[in-house]
Amino acid sequence: AQTVTQSQPEMSVQEAETVTLSCTYDTSESNYYLFWYKQPPSRQMILVIRQEAYKQQNATENRFSVNFQKAAKSFSLKISDSQLGDTAMYFCAFMIQGAQKLVFGQGTRLTINP
Amino acid sequence: NAGVTQTPKFQVLKTGQSMTLQCAQDMNHEYMSWYRQDPGMGLRLIHYSVGAGITDQGEVPNGYNVSRSTTEDFPLRLLSAAPSQTSVYFCASRERGTYNNEQFFGPGTRLTVL
Repeated sequence: AQTVTQSQPEMSVQEAETVTLSCTYDTSESNYYLFWYKQPPSRQMILVIRQEAYKQQNATENRFSVNFQKAAKSFSLKISDSQLGDTAMYFCAFMIQGAQKLVFGQGTRLTINP
Repeated sequence: NAGVTQTPKFQVLKTGQSMTLQCAQDMNHEYMSWYRQDPGMGLRLIHYSVGAGITDQGEVPNGYNVSRSTTEDFPLRLLSAAPSQTSVYFCASRERGTYNNEQFFGPGTRLTVL
């Protein structure tokens, strides 16, 4: 069975700082996808960034980037120039290629302070 | 496009009552899923469907029923509500076979069982 672990229940940084959220996963599959979802107080789940396991290049989306270490089964999210609107719960998630099930980590509550 | 819609947004039930959580999508997605979100546990898959007339169990299916008579709708039924089913419920959908496997989530239903 696949598992996803987020070891940081809460984090807090000042506005404009850079913050890194950690995620590790466990799987015996070789073809899969990894995601970071953001859940603001509105409760809506918003896809932040995705990574295909077969791609060696780390995904980036504007201020968001990942550090994907396949051998170590690690998938961290870096938020640069953090903004107040980044305050949210962040979930790391895993999905086997072709499957339907998303496996989520426990979440990290991120607070950006002014 | 409205995307994925869920009704109701909030619901309070008494133990033993039954109800149906509604989910609809207008993106012609074949795949649809139900997740529940509990504090400290991330989201967990309840049931999913890969097309009209086809459903399967996820990680935590007990106490829930689903059916999929149309591509657009995927209702979740609680036959006899229990306090352990107090949670936030999310419906999600995605296209079949897309390389990015992005799932689109509804706004969620907060259910309290007394």
